[in-house]
Amino acid sequence: DTGVSQDPRHKITKRGQNVTFRCDPISEHNRLYWYRQTLGQGPEFLTYFQNEAQLEKSRLLSDRFSAERPKGSFSTLEIQRTEQGDSAMYLCASSLVSRTSGDNEQFFGPGTRLTVL
Amino acid sequence: GESVGLHLPTLSVQEGDNSIINCAYSNSASDYFIWYKQESGKGPQFIIDIRSNMDKRQGQRVTVLLNKTVKHLSLQIAATQPGDSAVYFCAENIGSGGSYIPTFGRGTSLIVHP
Repeated sequence: DTGVSQDPRHKITKRGQNVTFRCDPISEHNRLYWYRQTLGQGPEFLTYFQNEAQLEKSRLLSDRFSAERPKGSFSTLEIQRTEQGDSAMYLCASSLVSRTSGDNEQFFGPGTRLTVL
Repeated sequence: GESVGLHLPTLSVQEGDNSIINCAYSNSASDYFIWYKQESGKGPQFIIDIRSNMDKRQGQRVTVLLNKTVKHLSLQIAATQPGDSAVYFCAENIGSGGSYIPTFGRGTSLIVHP
C-alpha cells in the first residue's frame, strides 16, 4: 500500500453514461497526476495538479474528460458520455515537489478499472 | 536472462539468476529516467531512477545503466526471486520547468520460475 487510494476500484457502465473517479493522495503531497493505462501498455499521462491548480493537460484528455482538485487534497476525474474506447485502468499518483529538490518520486494508487459496455 | 524490450516483451528466468531488462527511449532531450515495477492489480511502483549526468546507479539488488549515446537504458536485477515477477516499465522524463511528466515504454513481463 503506497498511501494513495482510489475509489471505486472497478466500474462497469453503459456507453453514454457519466462516471466519476476519486483519488486521495498522500496527505503532504502537493502534486497529483492522472494516467490512463490499457492492457499491455504503459500508463499514459492525462493531467496533473499542483495544489489546486491544474498545470498541464495531455491532448489525450478530450472535452469529455474533466478533472478537479478543489481543495488541493483529493481529486476527481469525470468522464462524460463514456465510449467503449474509454475502457482502461485510470491511475492516480502523487508526489511532493520542493524548491530544493524539484519533483520527486511519484507514488501510484491501485487504479480504477473502467469497463464501458 | 536478457530482454530487448519491445521486441521481446516476456523474460523468463530461473530463481537465483540475474535478469537484464532493456529499454530504448526516444527523446534525446530526456534527462531523468525511472524504472517501475507493476504487479497484477496494482499501480506501478518506483524501483530506481537515474539522471542523465550519470551512467550507472545501484540500489538494493538492482542496477540501472544509461547509455545516452544510443538512448538505451537497462535494469539489472541480481539473484532474481519469485517476488520479482511483474511487468517492468522504463519511463523518460520529457517535462521542463520543474515538471515531471514521464513517458512510459511498453513494458517487459518478467517471469521467475522457482
